[in-house]
Amino acid sequence: RKEVEQDPGPFNVPEGATVAFNCTYSNSASQSFFWYRQDCRKEPKLLMSVYSSGNEDGRFTAQLNRASQYISLLIRDSKLSDSATYLCVVNMNSGGYQKVTFGTGTKLQVIP
Amino acid sequence: DVKVTQSSRYLVKRTGEKVFLECVQDMDHENMFWYRQDPGLGLRLIYFSYDVKMKEKGDIPEGYSVSREKKERFSLILESASTNQTSMYLCASSSPAGGPLEQYFGPGTRLTVT
Repeated sequence: RKEVEQDPGPFNVPEGATVAFNCTYSNSASQSFFWYRQDCRKEPKLLMSVYSSGNEDGRFTAQLNRASQYISLLIRDSKLSDSATYLCVVNMNSGGYQKVTFGTGTKLQVIP
Repeated sequence: DVKVTQSSRYLVKRTGEKVFLECVQDMDHENMFWYRQDPGLGLRLIYFSYDVKMKEKGDIPEGYSVSREKKERFSLILESASTNQTSMYLCASSSPAGGPLEQYFGPGTRLTVT
């Protein structure tokens, strides 16, 4: 089983729609979680952290479910500019270092 | 703004050549990372460094080495390039305050080994 798994998509949604992605992780000792965004042929950029209580940044909401070992990203009122690949990132202590594992990404295409 | 630069955007090398990929960051970050990104496999960590002259193996270090002689510079070396090392290579940096998750990436180097 992969350490971090994401549905690769693509998710094709119309403008204005609400879309949600999940990301599951295998190690229950994982400590912290982030979402990154990667535009086509560009480098990944940090989108937002994922806190245990859930957190929101404008149209984006991130949630963590430790019992079921998944994190989610909800995008409301999708814009064309939201089209990108969304990577979930999981962090845990490993051998005294912080081990960071990226998911393979979920591709979102927002259609006019 | 943090800036991470990589020496080349595109590189074509022959099998067996020694290849140097350079990464420079201008924000005095302690942590630096090298990844490769392949379709369907995502980002995989090759090596990382938390300090000058310090290096640690990531998940796929075989066939690669690194050098960190100065804080701002982290080099990835392919001792003898092979076709299976054709990939997009991404460098990243982060500060201890932000931790390894808040990484700033360079634009990437697309390496083709023929």
